[in-house]
Amino acid sequence: EPEVTQTPSHQVTQMGQEVILRCVPISNHLYFYWYRQILGQKVEFLVSFYNNEISEKSEIFDDQFSVERPDGSNFTLKIRSTKLEDSAMYFCASIKDLSSYEQYFGPGTRLTVT
Amino acid sequence: QQQVKQSPQSLIVQKGGISIINCAYENTAFDYFPWYQQFPGKGPALLIAIRPDVSEKKEGRFTISFNKSAKQFSLHIMDSQPGDSATYFCAASTVQGAQKLVFGQGTRLTINP
Repeated sequence: EPEVTQTPSHQVTQMGQEVILRCVPISNHLYFYWYRQILGQKVEFLVSFYNNEISEKSEIFDDQFSVERPDGSNFTLKIRSTKLEDSAMYFCASIKDLSSYEQYFGPGTRLTVT
Repeated sequence: QQQVKQSPQSLIVQKGGISIINCAYENTAFDYFPWYQQFPGKGPALLIAIRPDVSEKKEGRFTISFNKSAKQFSLHIMDSQPGDSATYFCAASTVQGAQKLVFGQGTRLTINP
């Protein structure tokens, strides 16, 4: 069964460093999302991406964040200068098209900023 | 107005019992209501979802009840099993636009054998 994959599973970085989180959405899916989950809290929407551009972003997704689909399979989230409060699980999700509604989530990347 | 409120925070049910988790929303534009199941260290997995044109949807042991006038929906797990022990999140979105999901706070469900 097709699934969303994410790498790495765990990333440790120092405050101020840049990190890139990688996702491979399900191959025939067209819409992509990033969510984050701070430990013990709810899952929060960060950004949605379609046709090589951001379709919607949350207040959390400030200038430190960027997303890219560098090729036909990868979808990346970059944090330019990490802060302690960026420590969280980051989930990538994808949806086949907007008529199917079902978002499929990857296993997540645990980001720890020290 | 974008919030989805979920209760209880935690729930303990005996094996074979019925687990009930409730959610309430304020934004009347929401028209898609999924439930996700999450095991420790894993991503949320879609369990069951409902649109507001029906009041109930059943898939195996899992049932969503939806009350549009009260802006509430709930997940019922019948014959709860130890393998159902997980965190459950309700969510809501609009089917128009980017379909971003707004999640509830989550319910940690424990099924005692």
